[in-house]
Amino acid sequence: GAGVSQSPRYKVTKRGQDVALRCDPISGHVSLYWYRQALGQGPEFLTYFNYEAQQDKSGLPNDRFSAERPEGSISTLTIQRTEQRDSAMYRCASSLPGAGQYFGPGTRLTVT
Amino acid sequence: SQELEQSPQSLIVQEGKNLTINCTSSKTLYGLYWYKQKYGEGLIFLMMLQKGGEEKSHEKITAKLDEKKQQSSLHITASQPSHAGIYLCGADPYSGNTGKLIFGQGTTLQVKP
Repeated sequence: GAGVSQSPRYKVTKRGQDVALRCDPISGHVSLYWYRQALGQGPEFLTYFNYEAQQDKSGLPNDRFSAERPEGSISTLTIQRTEQRDSAMYRCASSLPGAGQYFGPGTRLTVT
Repeated sequence: SQELEQSPQSLIVQEGKNLTINCTSSKTLYGLYWYKQKYGEGLIFLMMLQKGGEEKSHEKITAKLDEKKQQSSLHITASQPSHAGIYLCGADPYSGNTGKLIFGQGTTLQVKP
C-alpha cells in the first residue's frame, strides 16, 4: 500500500514568508508525528496527533510554528514569518497504536 | 534530559564482513526502534524492540535490547553494498508509549565491494 507522503518535497522561501508543509499518512494510521532533522543529526520531535487531537506540542520551537489535523488524516505544519534558522528537513511519520512509526520522504525547507 | 549515544559514528567494512552498531541510553527505554536512512530519502523502519532481552531478525539484520532496556545493538551478517546508509536508533523515553521518539545521531555505514 501507499506509504506516508509529504509535499512539497523541496521548498525555498524568503525570510518573513509563511510556509505550509503537508503530510498524508498511511491510511488507517491513528497517530501522526512531525519531526525536524538537521544535517548530520537524528530527527527531533515537534508535535503529534491521535486522530484529530493534538496530543503534545512541546517540541514546537516557538509560537511561529503550528500544526493541525482537522479530519484526523492529512496534517499541515505551518511556519509563520520564516527565519533562516528554520531551514531543515521536516519529516512526518504515522503509526498504529503502539506500533512502529513510518516516515515520509520529508520536505527540505530552505529559507533565504 | 534523555540522550541516545550511537557508536561508532561511522563504519567502513568490506563486503561479506559482519558488523555491529550500538545504541546506549543512561535511562530505561520504553521502546527501541531501528531505522535506516539513505541520502535524500525517508527513514525506513527496520525493527521495534520493547521487552528486555528481546531479539528480532529480518533477513541478515538482527537487533537486540538488553535486559535493563538501556542498550541495543544492531548486527549485520555478511554485509552487502545494499546495507550502506545511515542507521538511526530511536527510543521512547517515556512510559505509556507516547510515541515522542528521541534519536541518536546516526551511524554511517559504507560497504566496499
